[in-house]
Order: sequence, then structure tokens, then C-alpha cells
Amino acid sequence: AQTVTQSQPEMSVQEAETVTLSCTYDTSESDYYLFWYKQPPSRQMILVIRQEAYKQQNATENRFSVNFQKAAKSFSLKISDSQLGDAAMYFCAYRRASGNTPLVFGKGTRLSVIA
Amino acid sequence: DTGVSQDPRHKITKRGQNVTFRCDPISEHNRLYWYRQTLGQGPEFLTYFQNEAQLEKSRLLSDRFSAERPKGSFSTLEIQRTEQGDSAMYLCASSFGSGANVLTFGAGSRLTVL
Repeated sequence: AQTVTQSQPEMSVQEAETVTLSCTYDTSESDYYLFWYKQPPSRQMILVIRQEAYKQQNATENRFSVNFQKAAKSFSLKISDSQLGDAAMYFCAYRRASGNTPLVFGKGTRLSVIA
Repeated sequence: DTGVSQDPRHKITKRGQNVTFRCDPISEHNRLYWYRQTLGQGPEFLTYFQNEAQLEKSRLLSDRFSAERPKGSFSTLEIQRTEQGDSAMYLCASSFGSGANVLTFGAGSRLTVL
């Protein structure tokens, strides 16, 4: 079974600084998708960024970028120029490309942004 | 489109009572998912539908849990004979297709079992 591991339960970053959240996953598949979701306090989960495993280029979305290392099964999220609104739980998630498989989430990393 | 709606947002019940949660997905989305999230954990998959067909239900936590999606529109998740361990946030999400398609989540229904 696929598993997603986020080894940092909590992280903090100074406003305007850069922070990297770690994620590793376990799979025997070669084709899959990876996602980072953000869950602000008492608010719904929203997509931050996604990566197709067949793409070598790392995905970027404005201040958010990933470092996808397929051989190492690593998928870290870098947040640049951190803002107070970035404070949230961040979940890494995996989905196999083939078959009807659900999105599998890690346990999350709570990010605090210090003004 | 107002996104994925869930009702009620909060439910407090006594142990042994039945509860039902409703989810209204984004109208053009054919897939609907239910997840459970306990404190300090990531969402845990329960079941999902493609249109009105329930394609995966083996992850439902026990036979006290059931879900329906009549006519492929809204969905309900029912928990019978609730137990204190059922206290959690129940999340609904929808998508069009699967693969790289993004799940859009609702705000969740928080259940507290006394």
C-alpha cells in the first residue's frame, strides 16, 4: 500500500523568509501524481501545487515550488517570501495514475509564520 | 458555483444515536469522496462515488457507516449507533475524473459524540 510520510509535525518561519516542508512516499508505481494541500485553521482544504511523476521539471506556483526527486521518492514544498496567510496545516498527498485509487494523505505539517 | 457544501457544519450527539451528513458537490463533478480527519492526522479515505455508483467502500470503518449518492448528485454519509471514537471531522470532496484532477474539498462536518 502506498504511504506518505511527513516527518515534520511543526515548522515555523519568519515573515518574508523561506521554508521547506518535507514529504516522502512509498510506492512501486512509476506513474502517479503528487499534491500539496493547505488547510488554514477552521477553513477548508485547498490545493497548493501538484506534480505529475512523468514530468522531470519541478512544478511552481508563484511563491510555492516543489523539489521532486523521483528516485528518492521525495517531494518537498518550498514557500518563498512567507506571509502571515501561509500559516496552516500542509498535507502532502499521493495518487496512483492507474485504476480507481483514492488520494492518500500524510499526517501533515503545521506551519507557523512569525511576524 | 459555490463550491462543495457540507451540512451540518457541527453535530453533537449522544452515543448510540444515528447521524447523517450531507454533501453537495460542484455540479459538473462526477466523482465524490468522503474522508475522515481526526485531530492531528491527515484525511483518511472512506469511500467514493463515480456518478451514482459507489466504486470503493471497503475502507468504511465499520458496518455502522454507509454512504449513498442517489441520482449522482448530492451524497449522504450515515453513521449508525455512534460511538465516542467516531468523533472527527468528516470531509467531502469532489472532482471531475481522477488522475491529476484536483479534489475540491468542502469545509467539513465536525461530529462530537458524547
